[in-house]
Amino acid sequence: AQKVTQAQTEISVVEKEDVTLDCVYETRDTTYYLFWYKQPPSGELVFLIRRNSFDEQNEISGRYSWNFQKSTSSFNFTITASQVVDSAVYFCALSDLPSRLTFGEGTQLTVNP
Amino acid sequence: DTGVSQDPRHKITKRGQNVTFRCDPISEHNRLYWYRQTLGQGPEFLTYFQNEAQLEKSRLLSDRFSAERPKGSFSTLEIQRTEQGDSAMYLCASSRGARNEAFFGQGTRLTVV
Repeated sequence: AQKVTQAQTEISVVEKEDVTLDCVYETRDTTYYLFWYKQPPSGELVFLIRRNSFDEQNEISGRYSWNFQKSTSSFNFTITASQVVDSAVYFCALSDLPSRLTFGEGTQLTVNP
Repeated sequence: DTGVSQDPRHKITKRGQNVTFRCDPISEHNRLYWYRQTLGQGPEFLTYFQNEAQLEKSRLLSDRFSAERPKGSFSTLEIQRTEQGDSAMYLCASSRGARNEAFFGQGTRLTVV
């Protein structure tokens, strides 16, 4: 069975601080995909990144970066120099093929001015 | 707007009534998914379609739930004899094939009173 654990239920930071959201996953599959989604108060899930299990390269996109470590089954997400607009619930998700997503319970990030 | 569209955005219904939700996926996406999200939780998979074929249903999808995707375009999710426990956000997503990320709509928030 697949499982995604986001141990941090809520994180509160002050604007411009860096913040890391943790994600640990469990799967028996050798081929799988990992995702991060953002859910602002409007409710729509916004896709941020997808990684496949064969690609452990870390990725940076602007202020966002992701650290995938297969050895620890972790896929952590860092926001550098956080901004108020980053306030949202962030979900980590795992997918095998044929691609149903298993989500974690989410981390509520609040960035205060 | 070429994103995933869901209608209605909000629905309040009395217990025991039937409700139907509609999802219009991104036009070139052959896969369509339904998820349910309760307050403070991550989305949970309900079912998915590849074109018009319903390929998988979660155990969460009781006999009162039925989903269709005629002609492989839009999809409907019907809940018969609604119960208070059905109150949730119902999210639709679509993707181009199994290996690509899913894009979500803004959801239909159902409240059963």
